[in-house]
Amino acid sequence: SQKIEQNSEALNIQEGKTATLTCNYTNYSPAYLQWYRQDPGRGPVFLLLIRENEKEKRKERLKVTFDTTLKQSLFHITASQPADSATYLCALEAGANNLFFGTGTRLTVIP
Amino acid sequence: KAGVTQTPRYLIKTRGQQVTLSCSPISGHRSVSWYQQTPGQGLQFLFEYFSETQRNKGNFPGRFSGRQFSNSRSEMNVSTLELGDSALYLCASSPGQGVYGYTFGSGTRLTVV
Repeated sequence: SQKIEQNSEALNIQEGKTATLTCNYTNYSPAYLQWYRQDPGRGPVFLLLIRENEKEKRKERLKVTFDTTLKQSLFHITASQPADSATYLCALEAGANNLFFGTGTRLTVIP
Repeated sequence: KAGVTQTPRYLIKTRGQQVTLSCSPISGHRSVSWYQQTPGQGLQFLFEYFSETQRNKGNFPGRFSGRQFSNSRSEMNVSTLELGDSALYLCASSPGQGVYGYTFGSGTRLTVV
C-alpha cells in the first residue's frame, strides 16, 4: 500500500539556520508532490507544488526538491524565523483530487 | 477573495446522534474534498465532489456521506456517531484539479461524548 514518511516527528533549529525536512514515499509514482504548513487548530496552507519533471522549486525562503528515483522530496526553509514554527506536511495525489498526506514534521525555530 | 468557509467551527454531539457539517468553497472552485484529521491517523481523505458528483471516496464506513449543491457548497453527514469520530474535519477546494494546490478551510472540531 502507499506510504509516506516524513523524517521526524519534531525538529528544533536555531533562528537563522536552514531547516531541512524530508518526505519519503513508497509504492507510488506521483505526477507531483505538494507541501503544506499547518498551525494548531487550523487547516493546512498550501506552500509549494513540484512536478515529477522538476528537480527543484523555490518560493521566497522556501525550496523543494523532488527525486523520483529516490522517491524523496526535501523541503528547505532558509534563514528560519520563529514565525516558521508549525507542522509541515507533504502530500501526494492518490487519485482525482485525493491527497494522501504524510504524518507531518513539527518544526520549532528557537530564537 | 473569501477563503473556504466551514461551519460550525466547533460541535459537541452525543454518541448515536448524527451531524451535518457545511463547507463553502472559494468562488469559482467546483471541487470540494473532505478530510478527517486525528492525532493517531493524521489527515485522511473522506471524499471529493465536483459539479455535484462524487468522484472519489476514501476508506470510511457508509455512515460518512456527503453531497454538493449546484452552487458548489458541500455538506458532509455522519450518522450514528461514535466516540472515534471525534476529529477535526477539513474541507478543501480547488478549481478542478489540484495542480495549483488546495485551499483548506479552518475546519470543524467535532467532539463526540
